[in-house]
Amino acid sequence: EVQLVESGGGLVQPGRSLRLSCAASGFNFGDYAMHWVRQAPGKGLEWVSGISFKSGSIVYADSVKGRFTISRDNAKSSLYLQMNSLRAEDTALYYCVKDHVGGAAGRWDWLDPWGQGTLVTVSS
Amino acid sequence: QSALTQPASVSGSPGQSITISCTGTSSDVGGYNSVSWYQHHPGKAPKLMIYEASYRPSGVPDRFSGSKSGNTASLTISGLQAEDEADYYCSSYTSSSTYVFGTGTKVTVL
Repeated sequence: EVQLVESGGGLVQPGRSLRLSCAASGFNFGDYAMHWVRQAPGKGLEWVSGISFKSGSIVYADSVKGRFTISRDNAKSSLYLQMNSLRAEDTALYYCVKDHVGGAAGRWDWLDPWGQGTLVTVSS
Repeated sequence: QSALTQPASVSGSPGQSITISCTGTSSDVGGYNSVSWYQHHPGKAPKLMIYEASYRPSGVPDRFSGSKSGNTASLTISGLQAEDEADYYCSSYTSSSTYVFGTGTKVTVL
């Protein structure tokens, strides 16, 4: 069974940093692209970032470009999101999600499955 | 990248059919068949319901169907059931090699 377990969320002050992690199991992690998707309180889903299976293609939403860094460690079956210069509008539940394809040349497909999410709250 | 446009809410009685639209541009929905739909019950992880515009993953009831014409994709739920009450989001790959979600539609079963 494919499992994605996020961790690292919490309460952080504006301007500070936080690193999210996602532990994957039940599939060959190194064969698939991975993504972070977030949902702010009372809002819809927002795609944040994607990384291809060998990290050759990495893309970000404009809202986080230059502040967030996605990375992965295939040997540890883990996905990460380093979040710097956090703002109140980054407050959200952050989901780790598996892509259907490897993402070579930045070509994504459908997202399945999703983790349960980790909550990030940015507030003073 | 602007969010794809969905109606904020759609409702129907049990047994009825409803359709949710998802409108984008030629740079996303209209340019690729990589349109998918997700069901999201509050407090749970979103669930894939339709991929590549019209394909249904195993385990998803056949009352869920998808289609696409031009820049607009649609999700139809036939024979609406109480457990179908949830938020639904469309999504698409984009020409910028990013991913974009729709604004979301709340489905209410009357």
